[in-house]
Amino acid sequence: AQSVTQLGSHVSVSEGALVLLRCNYSSSVPPYLFWYVQYPNQGLQLLLKYTSAATLVKGINGFEAEFKKSETSFHLTKPSAHMSDAAEYFCAVSPGGSQGNLIFGKGTKLSVKP
Amino acid sequence: EAGVTQFPSHSVIEKGQTVTLRCDPISGHDNLYWYRRVMGKEIKFLLHFVKESKQDESGMPNNRFLAERTGGTYSTLKVQPAELEDSGVYFCASSQVLGLFGYTFGSGTRLTVV
Repeated sequence: AQSVTQLGSHVSVSEGALVLLRCNYSSSVPPYLFWYVQYPNQGLQLLLKYTSAATLVKGINGFEAEFKKSETSFHLTKPSAHMSDAAEYFCAVSPGGSQGNLIFGKGTKLSVKP
Repeated sequence: EAGVTQFPSHSVIEKGQTVTLRCDPISGHDNLYWYRRVMGKEIKFLLHFVKESKQDESGMPNNRFLAERTGGTYSTLKVQPAELEDSGVYFCASSQVLGLFGYTFGSGTRLTVV
């Protein structure tokens, strides 16, 4: 069975500092991996996705993630945090094939200090 | 294009009552998904429609939950009778091609059962 583990339910960084949100997955087949963001009182917005093309994936708002098969990881990074990045971030894996549903991690709340 | 629309955005009902949540997917998206996030837990898959047919309902918690998708357009999720543990945020998502290129999520319905 596939699963996703997000390390750290809360992460706090200073404005301008590096953002690193960790995600490890478990999958018996090549996975499709996603990062979603939820801003307060809004729905889930797709940040970026990995679907077996380039291992370094660039997303919106300056975020990127690197797929590392040997480490079964898909960590999300941003070089310089902005106050507007404060939100909850979710890593998700798709079983693929005819199963279209996503399996989510528990989410990581990112706080950005001035 | 219009996004995925869910309503109501909030609902507070008493235990034992019935509630119906509605989701309007993006026009032309054959795939429609329902997810739920109970407080403090991860977002969990409930079911998947392809047009008007249920492709996968393995995530439905019990028979108090009934989902329909009339004519392959909008979908409803009825909870009858509601229990306290049904409280949470219910998300709907739609996609064109089994979500491989990302799913578009609605803003969710926050259900509180008191």
